[in-house]
Amino acid sequence: KAGVTQTPRYLIKTRGQQVTLSCSPISGHRSVSWYQQTPGQGLQFLFEYFSETQRNKGNFPGRFSGRQFSNSRSEMNVSTLELGDSALYLCASSQTTGGAVDTQYFGPGTRLTVL
Amino acid sequence: GESVGLHLPTLSVQEGDNSIINCAYSNSASDYFIWYKQESGKGPQFIIDIRSNMDKRQGQRVTVLLNKTVKHLSLQIAATQPGDSAVYFCAESIQGAQKLVFGQGTRLTINP
Repeated sequence: KAGVTQTPRYLIKTRGQQVTLSCSPISGHRSVSWYQQTPGQGLQFLFEYFSETQRNKGNFPGRFSGRQFSNSRSEMNVSTLELGDSALYLCASSQTTGGAVDTQYFGPGTRLTVL
Repeated sequence: GESVGLHLPTLSVQEGDNSIINCAYSNSASDYFIWYKQESGKGPQFIIDIRSNMDKRQGQRVTVLLNKTVKHLSLQIAATQPGDSAVYFCAESIQGAQKLVFGQGTRLTINP
């Protein structure tokens, strides 16, 4: 099976702009989670989608949003970019059907640089 | 609050030796734990996981030990190889939520 894919791999934006990142989960996986990784804060959970619904949410401002499509693909959006949003954004998918937590498999990430 | 920490930020071992990476967690409600390996420029790679109803789980060259009494998790890597050099993260999930709380990471360096 193909792994989790994320596009684009690299992105450069300026402050105030918005950005959309895309994630395609492993075939058959219905849950998609997003994480932000920075040198200072480490890996932090943004949100999780399952069956097109946000099921879990981390402690990030409303500028960070996401959605999931019927084919389980997911996008996350960051509006009004700030310098501090520069990070590696990671997507992870899991097979979970809504019961116990399941193994999350990560994609390669999208490196976002805000100038 | 939710926090997962690591005792040592860096670990250096000789090739062929066994490595032990430790992790402490604070939430008694955590019921799922997982270890990832992250190489430079890549996303975290799944190594092994364990649920709170188990104390030990083994994989290929890796063993995870869970001590719920002292809220401690460890990853043992047998006969470490140069390819094991990476940053290792532990993470926990609380009460079945598909949301992982990550530790800060330990950089493992293998000396020839």
